[in-house]
Amino acid sequence: DGGITQSPKYLFRKEGQNVTLSCEQNLNHDAMYWYRQDPGQGLRLIYYSQIVNDFQKGDIAEGYSVSREKKESFPLTVTSAQKNPTAFYLCASSGQGQEQYFGPGTRLTVT
Amino acid sequence: GENVEQHPSTLSVQEGDSAVIKCTYSDSASNYFPWYKQELGKRPQLIIDIRSNVGEKKDQRIAVTLNKTAKHFSLHITETQPEDSAVYFCAATLMYNNNDMRFGAGTRLTVKP
Repeated sequence: DGGITQSPKYLFRKEGQNVTLSCEQNLNHDAMYWYRQDPGQGLRLIYYSQIVNDFQKGDIAEGYSVSREKKESFPLTVTSAQKNPTAFYLCASSGQGQEQYFGPGTRLTVT
Repeated sequence: GENVEQHPSTLSVQEGDSAVIKCTYSDSASNYFPWYKQELGKRPQLIIDIRSNVGEKKDQRIAVTLNKTAKHFSLHITETQPEDSAVYFCAATLMYNNNDMRFGAGTRLTVKP
């Protein structure tokens, strides 16, 4: 392991609260991604960033926000506007034309 | 955009048998097809990938085949072992454009000892 880390591993929040998930990489990768994984489904892209200070919406961006102030960091905020936030969240990074490397994931439970 | 379908959703084999997982994709421009293995509660990890300029690639007990005309690709695992039990995901994208990678829904492979 190492290279790309996510924290915390488990996160519990009350409905209506915003929560921020951390993602850090030391692979010197330009591109970073956030995916959501639900049981029985593939990975769905939330946001991606190809360069510092720039990011784009993926397929399911509603209710989420991101920032990319540093190359190493790409935090994801799950806002209260996200209707069904309980899921497993995976961060990934990639170099130019390279495979995506995934972090260990954060399991978010909202009650 | 790209759409990837993966079959079967679950697969159970006896140790030592072969396992085959199939994926189809919709965008004929896609040229990079990775396969990821995800063990329970862990991160997906790349196990093999193939680019559109080849039809088959092997790595020990794992092989991937690609049929660009039919737009489908398959993962083959021979001599399966209990530690092969995991969820396997296929994906398709344009190389150098990873932000457009689309994943299949996954196949849960169980290898019975």
